[in-house]
Amino acid sequence: DARVTQTPRHKVTEMGQEVTMRCQPILGHNTVFWYRQTMMQGLELLAYFRNRAPLDDSGMPKDRFSAEMPDATLATLKIQPSEPRDSAVYFCASGTGSFGTEAFFGQGTRLTVV
Amino acid sequence: RKEVEQDPGPFNVPEGATVAFNCTYSNSASQSFFWYRQDCRKEPKLLMSVYSSGNEDGRFTAQLNRASQYISLLIRDSKLSDSATYLCVVNRANDYKLSFGAGTTVTVRA
Repeated sequence: DARVTQTPRHKVTEMGQEVTMRCQPILGHNTVFWYRQTMMQGLELLAYFRNRAPLDDSGMPKDRFSAEMPDATLATLKIQPSEPRDSAVYFCASGTGSFGTEAFFGQGTRLTVV
Repeated sequence: RKEVEQDPGPFNVPEGATVAFNCTYSNSASQSFFWYRQDCRKEPKLLMSVYSSGNEDGRFTAQLNRASQYISLLIRDSKLSDSATYLCVVNRANDYKLSFGAGTTVTVRA
């Protein structure tokens, strides 16, 4: 059963530390999204890629966040330095890249910055 | 104004009841619409796509009203397992991005 895989599932870190979250999209999917979910803001789009190229990262705080796709099977989201307000669930999702098609979500990384 | 807005609820209904709720979107260029379901501490999962003519999937019926820019979801014969947050999702024409509403919480009680 094809699925999006995210690691780690949980991460607790101290303020100021670097955090790296990884995502393996569904094989054959060429669009990858990073979302952040908090109780206050709901699901916010941070960035997304098509064919490994970033199409939109306007939702991401550029000073501390970076997103990359080193290859078609791996997407990364880094936070450096992390802050307590970054505590949230970070979801990766992938899609086939056709207009109007749905995205499939990974189980998320629950990040707590203390 | 947010691109997608939903009544957060909660809608608290007894088993067997019918519950319905709407979602409004602000961009008239929106082209594709979906309902996702999210269980507590889980990832969102696609419930159903929403087609222009309206569509059903078992006990679930989705409608689209382009003139008034809203979509709706109706759940018939509610089950305890329908308790979840329902997310409205909109995709603009010629754009891959999916915009999510904040979700409507439904709780079905025995």
